[in-house]
Amino acid sequence: DAGVIQSPRHEVTEMGQEVTLRCKPISGHDYLFWYRQTMMRGLELLIYFNNNVPIDDSGMPEDRFSAKMPNASFSTLKIQPSEPRDSAVYFCASSRQDSPLHFGNGTRLTVT
Amino acid sequence: SQQGEEDPQALSIQEGENATMNCSYKTSINNLQWYRQNSGRGLVHLILIRSNEREKHSGRLRVTLDTSKKSSSLLITASRAADTASYFCAPRGAQKLVFGQGTRLTINP
Repeated sequence: DAGVIQSPRHEVTEMGQEVTLRCKPISGHDYLFWYRQTMMRGLELLIYFNNNVPIDDSGMPEDRFSAKMPNASFSTLKIQPSEPRDSAVYFCASSRQDSPLHFGNGTRLTVT
Repeated sequence: SQQGEEDPQALSIQEGENATMNCSYKTSINNLQWYRQNSGRGLVHLILIRSNEREKHSGRLRVTLDTSKKSSSLLITASRAADTASYFCAPRGAQKLVFGQGTRLTINP
């Protein structure tokens, strides 16, 4: 079991550019979560999916953020256009129902 | 909200001492989960306690749950330097997990 795989590990981009973060959940897990962590705001839940369907996106900060899960083994979080205040560590996690979450190692995004 | 609130926000103890962290929540739950985060890494699951359980052990960890008070505690016995990390509780009723600010635990040698 390779665990939850996120890419890239680090992303540095300029304001206004499009950023795409990727996540491969653990096989067999039917829930996928995207979180964002900053010193100021802590760990925020952005969106979560069940069986590839978005269930709750109330944490997505703005229309600049979008997330997709085209199949059970892949999800993306896109920011377009990016802004300096989007700088954070973005985590993806997956789980089975009522079971613990397994987190990836995160993507550290820096927007200059 | 479904978010757990950890207390204290920060805790500093000597190696070998026990560390106790508390969690309060507001909604009904199916289970409550505790996680650890080392600096710069993703959260790692430590222990899950179901709503019909009152206490659970795993190695040096002991978790209690009081659903009538909507509270839980995590006890780490015989602390080690490697236990230095942030600890989060996550009550799970609906399937989403919302995390609080966590408890920052520092173990001093």
